[in-house]
This record gives sequence, structure tokens and C-alpha cells, in this order.
Amino acid sequence: DADVTQTPRNRITKTGKRIMLECSQTKGHDRMYWYRQDPGLGLRLIYYSFDVKDINKGEISDGYSVSRQAQAKFSLSLESAIPNQTALYFCATTGTGVRGELFFGEGSRLTVL
Amino acid sequence: AQKITQTQPGMFVQEKEAVTLDCTYDTSDPSYGLFWYKQPSSGEMIFLIYQGSYDQQNATEGRYSLNFQKARKSANLVISASQLGDSAMYFCAMREGGNSGYALNFGKGTSLLVTP
Repeated sequence: DADVTQTPRNRITKTGKRIMLECSQTKGHDRMYWYRQDPGLGLRLIYYSFDVKDINKGEISDGYSVSRQAQAKFSLSLESAIPNQTALYFCATTGTGVRGELFFGEGSRLTVL
Repeated sequence: AQKITQTQPGMFVQEKEAVTLDCTYDTSDPSYGLFWYKQPSSGEMIFLIYQGSYDQQNATEGRYSLNFQKARKSANLVISASQLGDSAMYFCAMREGGNSGYALNFGKGTSLLVTP
């Protein structure tokens, strides 16, 4: 089983609909992140969290909200989806080691029509 | 301002040849880390290699090495003996101290195609 699991892997929705992307991890890490990937733009940080009481906005948080339900679970919500939120979304975690590389989920591809 | 710059949108290399993917970065933090990730067409993000700002030697991981030139603020990825399976997007990324919760800033990526 993957250490970082995202659901759904693919979702097609309509403009104005509420959508939630879920992430769970088994690595025991406190730090969790949501990134968005668009072609030609790389990955951009949406939100990050250090624990259930610590939620922080990233570079592109407008139009998104998050919930840290437990150490292992971090959800991303689009309250009213719009077409320019069509993208590949990644959840990631990192530990407290010196290297601090991110461990990514497999991604959730969202299409907003 | 862009913190990570990858100037090569696309690169070609012949199988078994070496290839260098360029990355420059911008930071005033003396403590930072540099990372390279591979994203094959299947979409997952695969960590390749890490270089710390205080590391004296260039990082190496198998066929991957990181050419770290601190004064030039460059962190180029060198892939030796390219294989067809190396065809993918490659992202350079940086973590600056404790800024933004230890998140990584990513470049826009370089698409590498390895030809037979």
C-alpha cells in the first residue's frame, strides 16, 4: 500500500459544485501539504499544516479550503469549483529529518466543466 | 520573483549518453536544500537527489549527480548513461530554512526525451 493515499484519483465535476479531495498517510509525519500542478507552471503550494490546530495558506489558497482531521488526514475542498481549477492535485508529507524531502501521493486529477 | 528557474522546457538525449538539466535558484537564506524530482507520464512524483547548502561535496545517487555551484546559485542534475525509462518531466525544487513550513518551491520543469 502507498504511504500517501489520495482519493479520488480522477474526478470530473461541473462549475459551482463542491468537491473534496482526501489525503491520508501512514508515515507518521506531522507536516502535510497540498500542491497544484498545471502544465508549464510546475507545482504550486495551496495549503500546509503542521498539526490539526495549525493550518497555513500557501501561494495560491484563494478558492480552496482545507481540514486536518487527524495527524494522518488532510483534505482539500473546493467550495464552488470553477474551470480554471482544473489541474492535477498532489498531497505530500515530510518528516523532521535533515533532508526533508516530500513524499507525494499519486495525485488527483480534477476536471471542472 | 521566481525562486527556481529551469530554462530548458524540453531536452533530447540519445540512449547511453549523459545529459545535464539546468537549475538556478534565488535565496538569501544561508541554510537551504535543493531537490530534484522525476515525474514519468504516469504522473507520480519520484524523489531523486538532495543537496544541502552546507554540503561540501556534490550529491550522487546511482546514475544521478547534482552539480552544485553555490557561488553561481546553480544545482544542475546530471544523468549518466541515459535509459529509455529516464524519459519524464524533471523538477528542481528548493526548501529555505523554516520558510513556508518547510514546503518546497518548484521550478516549471524540464521534459526529457531519451531516444534509441
